[in-house]
Amino acid sequence: DAKTTQPNSMESNEEEPVHLPCNHSTISGTDYIHWYRQLPSQGPEYVIHGLTSNVNNRMASLAIAEDRKSSTLILHRATLRDAAVYYCILRDYTNAGKSTFGDGTTLTVKP
Amino acid sequence: EAQVTQNPRYLITVTGKKLTVTCSQNMNHEYMSWYRQDPGLGLRQIYYSMNVEVTDKGDVPEGYKVSRKEKRNFPLILESPSPNQTSLYFCASSLSRTLSGDSPLHFGNGTRLTVT
Repeated sequence: DAKTTQPNSMESNEEEPVHLPCNHSTISGTDYIHWYRQLPSQGPEYVIHGLTSNVNNRMASLAIAEDRKSSTLILHRATLRDAAVYYCILRDYTNAGKSTFGDGTTLTVKP
Repeated sequence: EAQVTQNPRYLITVTGKKLTVTCSQNMNHEYMSWYRQDPGLGLRQIYYSMNVEVTDKGDVPEGYKVSRKEKRNFPLILESPSPNQTSLYFCASSLSRTLSGDSPLHFGNGTRLTVT
């Protein structure tokens, strides 16, 4: 299974943009890139996903490198409620059975 | 409300006493999966099911059983729990059209299990 690598932790100031990176150098052509976040005492929550093109939704934007070996989750204006652990995972569209999570990035938002 | 429901939220048991953690989803999802989360080890997949009567092992299946007799339910069974199965467990589901990975995972709120 292709693996992802993320920084252990990042800090941001409230109301500033946050760019969370993810490396997936062994990504295959059939892997979708998914992002989830986990707030304290809760299950992971879906944020966004994409295959090749950049994606936007009400929560965030996903920028995917042209070679697809890395991606960046962009929170346009961080709030205190965005403090969470963010996970980048790959889901194969031909065999979505296995979903491997890494350790994720702990985002701290300072007021 | 669309959701994945796990029960119980908290469970304390003793070594060797069989237990079942239930998971139910109301979104008509084909795919369901169980994960355990331990400090420093992230989320590790235990078992998954692509559809009714179809289950397969994840990365850490030892000591666990699952069944998928109907689409909405995917119970996790520990036949003889041991202390190393003390963990936080999450159930997840997704709509899976023809094995597509283009389907977000929806997670339950977790079950914290302690085995003494």
